[in-house]
Amino acid sequence: GIQVEQSPPDLILQEGANSTLRCNFSDSVNNLQWFHQNPWGQLINLFYIPSGTKQNGRLSATTVATERYSLLYISSSQTTDSGVYFCAVEWTSYDKVIFGPGTSLSVIP
Amino acid sequence: NAGVTQTPKFQVLKTGQSMTLQCAQDMNHEYMSWYRQDPGMGLRLIHYSVGAGITDQGEVPNGYNVSRSTTEDFPLRLLSAAPSQTSVYFCASSYGLGWSAGELFFGEGSRLTVL
Repeated sequence: GIQVEQSPPDLILQEGANSTLRCNFSDSVNNLQWFHQNPWGQLINLFYIPSGTKQNGRLSATTVATERYSLLYISSSQTTDSGVYFCAVEWTSYDKVIFGPGTSLSVIP
Repeated sequence: NAGVTQTPKFQVLKTGQSMTLQCAQDMNHEYMSWYRQDPGMGLRLIHYSVGAGITDQGEVPNGYNVSRSTTEDFPLRLLSAAPSQTSVYFCASSYGLGWSAGELFFGEGSRLTVL
């Protein structure tokens, strides 16, 4: 089956710092999403991004499907950005949406 | 709109008991799915459905049954609960684009403990 990897697994940032999270996948995909799981366990949609670049405030994402990776960029991090960031890919020719293992982010004041 | 609603939010079972986790969505989404999340791990797909009457297995289907008799509802059944099924369960739905599941939206989760 398709393999989804995320790096780094853990990240600690000082408030105000920037960071880049990476998602690699082993096969062709129909689409890719980024989620934030907050400390209360809620899964919040960040980006639905099969290809190209999108921006939403301090967050942006880029997916290069032909090279099988996606990047999530967080600028001027805030303590509320803490939590786990997941990428999820839909395997081409199937309807299965598979999650990566996540990147755990802690932003300290 | 209520979005994706899961019930119950918390449940404690004894080994061997059966139960059903309910999932309902009011967005007329075709695609629905169930995931489990264990401590320190990502989400693993249990079962999914691309429309009423159609279900398929995900990554970890053993021990779970599903059915999809209506567009709105997608219940997950545990026929004989085991301690290994202690987890947080998430239901998700999306419009479904025919060739793709589309953008997923999640419920708030159901925490299940099996003693």
